[in-house]
Amino acid sequence: ETGVTQSPTHLIKTRGQQVTLRCSSQSGHNTVSWYQQALGQGPQFIFQYYREEENGRGNFPPRFSGLQFPNYSSELNVNALELDDSALYLCASSDNGQGVSEAFFGQGTRLTVV
Amino acid sequence: AQSVTQPDIHITVSEGASLELRCNYSYGATPYLFWYVQSPGQGLQLLLKYFSGDTLVQGIKGFEAEFKRSQSSFNLRKPSVHWSDAAEYFCAVGAGFSGGYNKLIFGAGTRLAVHP
Repeated sequence: ETGVTQSPTHLIKTRGQQVTLRCSSQSGHNTVSWYQQALGQGPQFIFQYYREEENGRGNFPPRFSGLQFPNYSSELNVNALELDDSALYLCASSDNGQGVSEAFFGQGTRLTVV
Repeated sequence: AQSVTQPDIHITVSEGASLELRCNYSYGATPYLFWYVQSPGQGLQLLLKYFSGDTLVQGIKGFEAEFKRSQSSFNLRKPSVHWSDAAEYFCAVGAGFSGGYNKLIFGAGTRLAVHP
């Protein structure tokens, strides 16, 4: 059984650029959630995908968008990057978007916007 | 509003001493509660969870937590801390649906330092 994997591990982008982060969910999981963790803070919920549909969204602007694929892997896209987007982006997978199963986190992608 | 408060930003204990990390939550329905640990530059590892039933829950690495509905608390404890326990600890509540959840609301975290 493989865990949650994220790529890349580190990324440096320039303000105004676009970025795509990737997440492979744990085997058997159909739900992926994305979180943003700024330095020194707790993770903040961006959105969740359940069986390829968005299943809830946090307080993030539309330039944060996502996809989930038939194999339940997921992408997080951020357009028009701002300096404040610099953070650790965490992906979590679980096996039911409306249930009570626990979420397993990947190691994260460290995004730096300069 | 749903929220999680971890009153202690930093805690320092001596190796072998007992530990209690505090967590208070604000949530209208039955809470689904979690404690996660994060080592520097790493993702989150689940220590334990409370969904229902026995209010004292056991987790990995010798940790336990007690759910107290009357105090809206879910404090994490360990009887004897090891140097490898130094990390950041996050309390979280599951929210979003009645009878389930689709997101985790995290506290700001407590950074634990362990002195030899």
